[in-house]
Amino acid sequence: DVVMTQSPLSLPVTLGQPASISCRSSQSLVYSDGNTYLNWFQQRPGQSPRRLIYMVSNRDSGVPDRFSGSGSGTDFTLKISRVEAEDVGVYYCMQGTHWPWTFGQGTKVEIK
Amino acid sequence: EVQLLESGGVLVQPGGSLRLSCAASGFTFSSYAMSWVRQAPGKGLEWVSSISGGGGSTYYPDSVKGRFTISRDNSKTTLFLQMNSLRAEDTAVYYCAKDQDYTNPSSPDYWGQGTLVTVSS
Repeated sequence: DVVMTQSPLSLPVTLGQPASISCRSSQSLVYSDGNTYLNWFQQRPGQSPRRLIYMVSNRDSGVPDRFSGSGSGTDFTLKISRVEAEDVGVYYCMQGTHWPWTFGQGTKVEIK
Repeated sequence: EVQLLESGGVLVQPGGSLRLSCAASGFTFSSYAMSWVRQAPGKGLEWVSSISGGGGSTYYPDSVKGRFTISRDNSKTTLFLQMNSLRAEDTAVYYCAKDQDYTNPSSPDYWGQGTLVTVSS
């Protein structure tokens, strides 16, 4: 199975400051069709997961542009340019290239 | 608006069986693959199963293979998960999720609110 490793696991951030989460996979996430199926999800306290980013860097409809995704191969990053109070929650990366799908451990973002 | 409403989660004894349902609306159900993802209390997300839009292809991790069966009724826009030989470690909130693709599930773009399954004697 592909192991997804996130860091850090806990991220205290000051409001208005940037935040960055790393996600590394144990093997390349490039699929045979040339696409890379790396997704990012946000789970606010008490809520269901919500997809923010798909295929590394494509932002979902309604997702603020302060969220961005980047990376390639085995190394990926989710960035929040200026953290707002509503960004508190746990963030997960997930690979959909190889079966079984696997998720990172989650990164808890909190306000300092 | 995409809506996914799970049901069927209850307290069940180890070794028991349960069938979860997910009623979908707001999109052409038969045109998209669907999945189940679970979350044990206080833990992270774990993929459980996926099915193609037509139902002809199904996928499972080793942890549930042979015990769980995913299926769908496109005429009733409903997704199912039949769970047999349940274990304590199957205790979790089970989410139904729509994929962005039809044949090659790779990215769940909408999620339901979840239904809690508790396996305990």
